[in-house]
Order: sequence, then structure tokens, then C-alpha cells
Amino acid sequence: AQTVTQSQPEMSVQEAETVTLSCTYDTSESDYYLFWYKQPPSRQMILVIRQEAYKQQNATENRFSVNFQKAAKSFSLKISDSQLGDAAMYFCAYRTEKLRGAQKLVFGQGTRLTINP
Amino acid sequence: GAGVSQSPRYKVAKRGQDVALRCDPISGHVSLFWYQQALGQGPEFLTYFQNEAQLDKSGLPSDRFFAERPEGSVSTLKIQRTQQEDSAVYLCASSAGGDRAGRSPLHFGNGTRLTVT
Repeated sequence: AQTVTQSQPEMSVQEAETVTLSCTYDTSESDYYLFWYKQPPSRQMILVIRQEAYKQQNATENRFSVNFQKAAKSFSLKISDSQLGDAAMYFCAYRTEKLRGAQKLVFGQGTRLTINP
Repeated sequence: GAGVSQSPRYKVAKRGQDVALRCDPISGHVSLFWYQQALGQGPEFLTYFQNEAQLDKSGLPSDRFFAERPEGSVSTLKIQRTQQEDSAVYLCASSAGGDRAGRSPLHFGNGTRLTVT
């Protein structure tokens, strides 16, 4: 079974600075998706960024980028120019690419990100 | 509506009571998922529907948990004889895709926070 580990329960950063959230995962599959989700106090999970495992190029979405190291099974999220609105819980998640396989997301434990003004 | 809608937003139940949680997915979405999120933890998969068919219920923690989606749209998660360990946020998510749902983004609702006293 796949597992996702986030080793940083809490992180804080000064507004406008850069912060990196860590994520490692364990799988025997070669094709899969990785995601970072943001969960504000409203509880709704919001997709931040996604990466297909077959793509070597790291995904980027505006101020958000990832460092995907497939061999090391590492998938970190970098937030540049941090803004107050970035404060939230961040979850790393894994999903298989198998046809007719389990479509479920496997989540990490989360990292609470605080932005200091 | 434009997003996934869940009701009620909050539910308090006395131990031993039955509860029903409702999820209205985005219109036309084929896939529907339920997740359970304990306080301070990442969401954990409960069950998955493709249209009205429940294709995976491996995450349901006991036979007190039952989910249905009879017409392939609205889904209900029912918990019988609630216990204190059932206290959690229950998240619903939907996506447009079916078998290859990994390529379709998941849209989450705001969840129902269940407290069992």
C-alpha cells in the first residue's frame, strides 16, 4: 500500500519570503500522480499543484512550484513571495495511474503553514 | 450550484444515534468520493462511486457505515449507532472522469463536522 509522509507538522515564514514544505512517499508503482492541496479554515480542499510521475519537468503554478525527485520519492512544495492568504493546512497526496485501479487519494498528515506579517 | 455542496455543515449526535450526511456533487460528475478527516490529520478514503455503482468501499471502518448514490448524483453517507470515535469531518469530492479519473481534477465540498457526545 502507498504511504505519504509529511515530517513538518508546522512551518512559519515571513510575508514575502520563500518557504518549502516537504513530502516523501512510498510506492512500488512507476506511474502515478502527486498533488499538493491547501485546506483553509473553511475546510474545503483546494488543489494547489499536481505532478504526473512520468514527467521529468517540475510543475509550476504562479508562485507555487515543486521539486519532484522520483528516485528519492520526494515531492516538496516551494511557495515564493508568501502572502497572508497562503496561511492554511497543506496536504501532500498520491494517486495511482492504474486503469480501473483504486482512484482514491492517499494523503499525508499535513503541515500547518503560518505567515507572519 | 457551481461546486460540491454538503449538508449539514455541522452535526452533533448523541452516542448511539443514527446520522445521515448528504453530498450534492457538481452536476454531471461521474465519480464521487467520501473521505473521513480526524482532527489534525489528513483525510482518509472511505468509499468511491462511479455513477450509481459503489466500486470501492474498502475504507469504510465498520458495518455501521453505509453509503449510497441511487441515481448517480446525490450521495448519502449514513452512520448507524454513532460512537465517539466517529467524530470527524466528512468530506465529499467529485470529478468528471470515470475510470481515468486520475486525469480529472477532484472538487471537494466544505465537509460536515460530526461531533458525537
